[in-house]
Amino acid sequence: ETGVTQSPTHLIKTRGQQVTLRCSSQSGHNTVSWYQQALGQGPQFIFQYYREEENGRGNFPPRFSGLQFPNYSSELNVNALELDDSALYLCASSLAPGRVGETQYFGPGTRLLVL
Amino acid sequence: DAKTTQPTSMDCAEGRAANLPCNHSTISGNEYVYWYRQIHSQGPQYIIHGLKNNETNEMASLIITEDRKSSTLILPHATLRDTAVYYCIARPGGGADGLTFGKGTHLIIQP
Repeated sequence: ETGVTQSPTHLIKTRGQQVTLRCSSQSGHNTVSWYQQALGQGPQFIFQYYREEENGRGNFPPRFSGLQFPNYSSELNVNALELDDSALYLCASSLAPGRVGETQYFGPGTRLLVL
Repeated sequence: DAKTTQPTSMDCAEGRAANLPCNHSTISGNEYVYWYRQIHSQGPQYIIHGLKNNETNEMASLIITEDRKSSTLILPHATLRDTAVYYCIARPGGGADGLTFGKGTHLIIQP
């Protein structure tokens, strides 16, 4: 069984640029959720994708967008990067939402630094 | 998701049982209690979850009070590798809203 993988592991960008982060879900999982974790804080939910559509969203602006592909892998795109976007970005996969007791499994994260 | 309250930090001696408490006094009947932990700079690791019955797996045991207003995660024989931030989360089973993480408990296992 393959776990959740993310790429790249680290990334440095400058303010105003755009970034794309990638996630491969755990084998058999068709739902992907993205989280942002600032230093010293718990992860904050960005959005969730199921069947290639956004299925739920946290309190993040539209410049945070995503995609899910037929193989259930996913991308997180952030436009017009700001200094406060510097964080650890986490991807989690799970079976279909709505399942009783559904569990999310996290990848190792991508650390983004915006200068 | 119901709000959860956890101590900021705890110490435990290596080899002893680590008991991590969590209060969730406003939990709804359909909300599960989930526990995750995060070792420094890694992704959160799922530990265990339960609804109202006590649960045990290879990592830990989860004890939920009868009124479901609090729970305790038990690591039976703590090792140095169990040093991490432990998060207690109450949420409905399934759903499109993400997990709501608080600040968690920083558990430090002392040699």
